[in-house]
Amino acid sequence: GNSVTQMEGPVTLSEEAFLTINCTYTATGYPSLFWYVQYPGEGLQLLLKATKADDKGSNKGFEATYRKETTSFHLEKGSVQVSDSAVYFCALSSNTGNQFYFGTGTSLTVIP
Amino acid sequence: EPEVTQTPSHQVTQMGQEVILRCVPISNHLYFYWYRQILGQKVEFLVSFYNNEISEKSEIFDDQFSVERPDGSNFTLKIRSTKLEDSAMYFCASREGRTGWNEQFFGPGTRLTVL
Repeated sequence: GNSVTQMEGPVTLSEEAFLTINCTYTATGYPSLFWYVQYPGEGLQLLLKATKADDKGSNKGFEATYRKETTSFHLEKGSVQVSDSAVYFCALSSNTGNQFYFGTGTSLTVIP
Repeated sequence: EPEVTQTPSHQVTQMGQEVILRCVPISNHLYFYWYRQILGQKVEFLVSFYNNEISEKSEIFDDQFSVERPDGSNFTLKIRSTKLEDSAMYFCASREGRTGWNEQFFGPGTRLTVL
């Protein structure tokens, strides 16, 4: 079956620190991989995606590379800001996008 | 920018009562979804809805749950007789679905508390 495992939180970093949030998956077929972000009081927003092996998704300074050999999709950012404080969800979906499987979410707090 | 909205933001109910959670998907979208997240656990798929019928559902979506699109804009999730373990955040999502892969857009969620 399909599932996603992501790093437990919460994570607290100082501004300008390097961020890594680990995500690994199990899947049948050829899933697409995503990171969603949820800011306080808001819905889930797509942060970045990768639809095939070795693709790198990037947005707002965040990056993640679809690694089929290690079944991973780790989220990284070189220099976090206070405004990056949110909950981050790793997810996978079938090729049609009709069903998503989410990780538990990792809460990130960035302090000035 | 179009967005998915959900009401109420927080619903408190007694065990055994019926609740209806409401969602207004993005207007030109064809696929609609409900997910839930029990506190501290994963976001779990409940059901997908297309062309006025359920297209997929998970094991969680048993006979206590139903979905409906009563008019051209609302998409509702009904829980007939709530249990304590139904306490969770419920997310609605919609997807355009016309060609190829496209993103699911999520609402802000409804927090359901069953006492």
